[in-house]
Amino acid sequence: AQSVSQHNHHVILSEAASLELGCNYSYGGTVNLFWYVQYPGQHLQLLLKYFSGDPLVKGIKGFEAEFIKSKFSFNLRKPSVQWSDTAEYFCAVNGPTGRLAFGKGNQVVVIP
Amino acid sequence: DAGVIQSPRHEVTEMGQEVTLRCKPISGHDYLFWYRQTMMRGLELLIYFNNNVPIDDSGMPEDRFSAKMPNASFSTLKIQPSEPRDSAVYFCASSPRLADTQYFGPGTRLTVL
Repeated sequence: AQSVSQHNHHVILSEAASLELGCNYSYGGTVNLFWYVQYPGQHLQLLLKYFSGDPLVKGIKGFEAEFIKSKFSFNLRKPSVQWSDTAEYFCAVNGPTGRLAFGKGNQVVVIP
Repeated sequence: DAGVIQSPRHEVTEMGQEVTLRCKPISGHDYLFWYRQTMMRGLELLIYFNNNVPIDDSGMPEDRFSAKMPNASFSTLKIQPSEPRDSAVYFCASSPRLADTQYFGPGTRLTVL
């Protein structure tokens, strides 16, 4: 089965700081990769996704992620965070059955 | 498009009562997923359907939980009898393909007293 690892479950940083969240997965086959964001009290929304092509993916709100196949990683980055980026971030990867597996999430708090 | 619709948004009930959660997926999406989210366990997949047929229900906690999809535009998740440990936010999501983007509904916040 596919497993998805997200480290540093709680991240606290100040506005304008840079953010990087790690995502590693176990399945070695062809993968589709996703980052979702869940703002406080809301549902999960797609931030960005990678299916094929350029491994550097641009998403909404200034987020980007890089797929590194050799490292089984799909890390999320934002150069300068805002208070409104306070949210929980989930990485998701499809496994051998095709079904998406979600990581346990990163709780990010941005201090004004 | 209205997106995935869930009802009710909030449900408060007493232990032992039956609870029914409802979901309307995005039209044209062949896959429907039910998730449960809690602080302790995070986001858990309970069951998913393909073309109204349950494919994988291995995440359903126990026999008190059941899910149906009588047609392409409606699904229910039922808990009978409900217990306090069932308190969580239940999300429904739909997708056009299994490994594609899942679109989540607003969720139902269930509190069992």
